[in-house]
Amino acid sequence: DAKTTQPNSMESNEEEPVHLPCNHSTISGTDYIHWYRQLPSQGPEYVIHGLTSNVNNRMASLAIAEDRKSSTLILHRATLRDAAVYYCILRDKLDSSYKLIFGSGTRLLVRP
Amino acid sequence: DTAVSQTPKYLVTQMGNDKSIKCEQNLGHDTMYWYKQDSKKFLKIMFSYNNKELIINETVPNRFSPKSPDKAHLNLHINSLELGDSAVYFCASSQMGRTDTQYFGPGTRLTVL
Repeated sequence: DAKTTQPNSMESNEEEPVHLPCNHSTISGTDYIHWYRQLPSQGPEYVIHGLTSNVNNRMASLAIAEDRKSSTLILHRATLRDAAVYYCILRDKLDSSYKLIFGSGTRLLVRP
Repeated sequence: DTAVSQTPKYLVTQMGNDKSIKCEQNLGHDTMYWYKQDSKKFLKIMFSYNNKELIINETVPNRFSPKSPDKAHLNLHINSLELGDSAVYFCASSQMGRTDTQYFGPGTRLTVL
């Protein structure tokens, strides 16, 4: 399984944008880039995913580098509720098991 | 309505006991999963069922036996509990063939004394 590298932790001020980086230099052509987050004492929740093009949804934006070896999750205005561990996960669309392989993620601290 | 629910939320038990954790999803999904999050917070897949058939078994000890009575339920039975089984167990579900976004339950914190 292709691996991702994320910073252990990041800090942000409330209502400011946050850019969470993820490196995946060994990504294959069939790997989707998924982001999940885990709020304290809760189960992980889906944030966004993409393959090649940048993606936007109500929660966040995903910017994918042209060579796909890195991506950035963008929270446009961080709130205190966004404090969580963010996981960048590669999922091969040809993998019929559909399992998610979680790394250690980035712990985001949001300062009021 | 809760999409993926688990019972119980907390489970404290003695070593050697047998216990079960139940999971139900009302999303109409055909695939369900069990993940384990240990004390170091690493989340790891244990099992996955698609249409009541086992499709993933990640070298989990035989003491762990998942059971899927129907597509909406995936229960986890653990025999002869050990101290190392203490963890938070998360159930999840997804619909194969779509975006395969997984929806997670709130977790069951198991403490083995």
